[in-house]
Amino acid sequence: DTGVSQDPRHKITKRGQNVTFRCDPISEHNRLYWYRQTLGQGPEFLTYFQNEAQLEKSRLLSDRFSAERPKGSFSTLEIQRTEQGDSAMYLCASSLRTGENEKLFFGSGTQLSVL
Amino acid sequence: DQQVKQNSPSLSVQEGRISILNCDYTNSMFDYFLWYKKYPAEGPTFLISISSIKDKNEDGRFTVFLNKSAKHLSLHIVPSQPGDSAVYFCAARRPSRGAQKLVFGQGTRLTINP
Repeated sequence: DTGVSQDPRHKITKRGQNVTFRCDPISEHNRLYWYRQTLGQGPEFLTYFQNEAQLEKSRLLSDRFSAERPKGSFSTLEIQRTEQGDSAMYLCASSLRTGENEKLFFGSGTQLSVL
Repeated sequence: DQQVKQNSPSLSVQEGRISILNCDYTNSMFDYFLWYKKYPAEGPTFLISISSIKDKNEDGRFTVFLNKSAKHLSLHIVPSQPGDSAVYFCAARRPSRGAQKLVFGQGTRLTINP
């Protein structure tokens, strides 16, 4: 169990640029989640996948955001035409569906700064 | 619309004493509650949870209490240790096709003083 891995750890970009983040979940986990955390707040749910299917998206996820999980393994989160309000920590989490006691395992996150 | 609130941004406790972290929620549809702990530069890690049909769950030094009528839960850590210094997040789950679609509070920074 190598844990959930996210890349890059930090990303600085200029407003209007596109960015892409990657998440590698724990290998046997079939669920993968993206959350966003801004300063002084708790993480907020963005979207989740069960295997390769994206089953739910938050209204926080504007049209500029797209997430994929090809073949049900790693996932990417792309933000197009970044805005300063996109600056946040983007957290990925994975889990193995086991009923009520399903636990999320979070990665260390990607800190995005939009200048 | 803050459905899960942690009204204390920070808490300082002497080593060996009890730490009590509080959390309030507004949505009666939440069916499961969790506490996560976060160290700097790391993601949140699961600590302890409780189902809405229970009022107490204990795991070693950690106990979570749920008061449904007051829509309040608390995390007790006893005895507190320096390694417990971290940010603690309360989270609640809405039933959503079984997914762990969690709603988090703002967090409480706990500092354990030697």
